[in-house]
Amino acid sequence: AQSVAQPEDQVNVAEGNPLTVKCTYSVSGNPYLFWYVQYPNRGLQFLLKYITGDNLVKGSYGFEAEFNKSQTSFHLKKPSALVSDSALYFCAVIDDYKLSFGAGTTVTVRA
Amino acid sequence: KAGVTQTPRYLIKTRGQQVTLSCSPISGHRSVSWYQQTPGQGLQFLFEYFSETQRNKGNFPGRFSGRQFSNSRSEMNVSTLELGDSALYLCASSLALAGGGFPTNYGYTFGSGTRLTVV
Repeated sequence: AQSVAQPEDQVNVAEGNPLTVKCTYSVSGNPYLFWYVQYPNRGLQFLLKYITGDNLVKGSYGFEAEFNKSQTSFHLKKPSALVSDSALYFCAVIDDYKLSFGAGTTVTVRA
Repeated sequence: KAGVTQTPRYLIKTRGQQVTLSCSPISGHRSVSWYQQTPGQGLQFLFEYFSETQRNKGNFPGRFSGRQFSNSRSEMNVSTLELGDSALYLCASSLALAGGGFPTNYGYTFGSGTRLTVV
């Protein structure tokens, strides 16, 4: 089965600093990877995906992610974090008509 | 275009009752999947439907069931509710293809969820 792991429960950064949320994957074949963000009491909002093509994927709200096959990673990055980026972030992989999610990483950006 | 619509947004039920949640996908999306989100278990897959056929089912008891109608709208039902069924239930629609392939614009769009509280 395909799976992803988010090794950090929480990430704390100061506003204006770079933000990185880590994700590693375990798949057989080509992975189809996603990042979603969730604000309190809301559904999941799509940030970006890797299906095929360039290893650097650019997404919504200034986020990007780099697909690294040798390290089996798909880390989410933002060069300059905003307080409004504080939320719960999920990495996910497609596995047999469903998304398998990581446990989530809570990001707190302090002013 | 309209997003994924889930109704109701909030629901309070008593143990032993049953509940039906509704999901209307984005127009043109034929795949609808359901997820349960709890603080302890995170996001767990319930089932996925494509053109009224269930293609995959998660590891949930038979009390959890679903269906999809010809207009792609989907419902999920939970019978004999337990306290542990309290969760945020999320629906997602996608442009999945019949053969399981992925178009370049493939993705999952989630609704805002239904918050179910069992008392």
